[in-house]
Amino acid sequence: GQSLEQPSEVTAVEGAIVQINCTYQTSGFYGLSWYQQHDGGAPTFLSYNALDGLEETGRFSSFLSRSDSYGYLLLQELQMKDSASYFCAVRGAAGNKLTFGGGTRVLVKP
Amino acid sequence: GAGVSQSPSNKVTEKGKDVELRCDPISGHTALYWYRQRLGQGLEFLIYFQGNSAPDKSGLPSDRFSAERTGESVSTLTIQRTQQEDSAVYLCASTLPQSADTQYFGPGTRLTVL
Repeated sequence: GQSLEQPSEVTAVEGAIVQINCTYQTSGFYGLSWYQQHDGGAPTFLSYNALDGLEETGRFSSFLSRSDSYGYLLLQELQMKDSASYFCAVRGAAGNKLTFGGGTRVLVKP
Repeated sequence: GAGVSQSPSNKVTEKGKDVELRCDPISGHTALYWYRQRLGQGLEFLIYFQGNSAPDKSGLPSDRFSAERTGESVSTLTIQRTQQEDSAVYLCASTLPQSADTQYFGPGTRLTVL
């Protein structure tokens, strides 16, 4: 089977940097994705890593280490609108299915 | 359409009743997924359709749950004899071929079973 672990909640102030870690267990590995979900809203795709290293998309970056079964999402220059839940998701041997982590709730304070 | 649409947005039903939830994917997206999200939790995979291939039903929690999709269009998720533990948000997502990691989600249907 597949499982992912990520912290349940993180609190930070505007302008700060937050790192959300995700460790996974999977048979086979195709990639690690990150999604953002505001309260009452739909998840939206943020980033994807299939190979080791850092992917940067504006204020958000995502990192993957396949040897450590580990990745993280880095949120820089935090803004109030970044308050949301963030989910990591892995695609493993099952092919075209994603298995999602439980989500990390990020609360940004002024 | 511009995005994935789902209906109804909210559904309140009595225990034991059947419900049908609808998903209209983005045009051209051959893959369609259904997920369940309980309050404060992650997304739980239910079922996956890819074109005209047999669906992957491995996530359906019981035989009370079923889903259909005709070709690459609308899908319906049916829950028979609803139970209180079925209360959740049901999310639908669609993707382009070979792009399973970039899923486009609909707004979801919030199901409340009394």
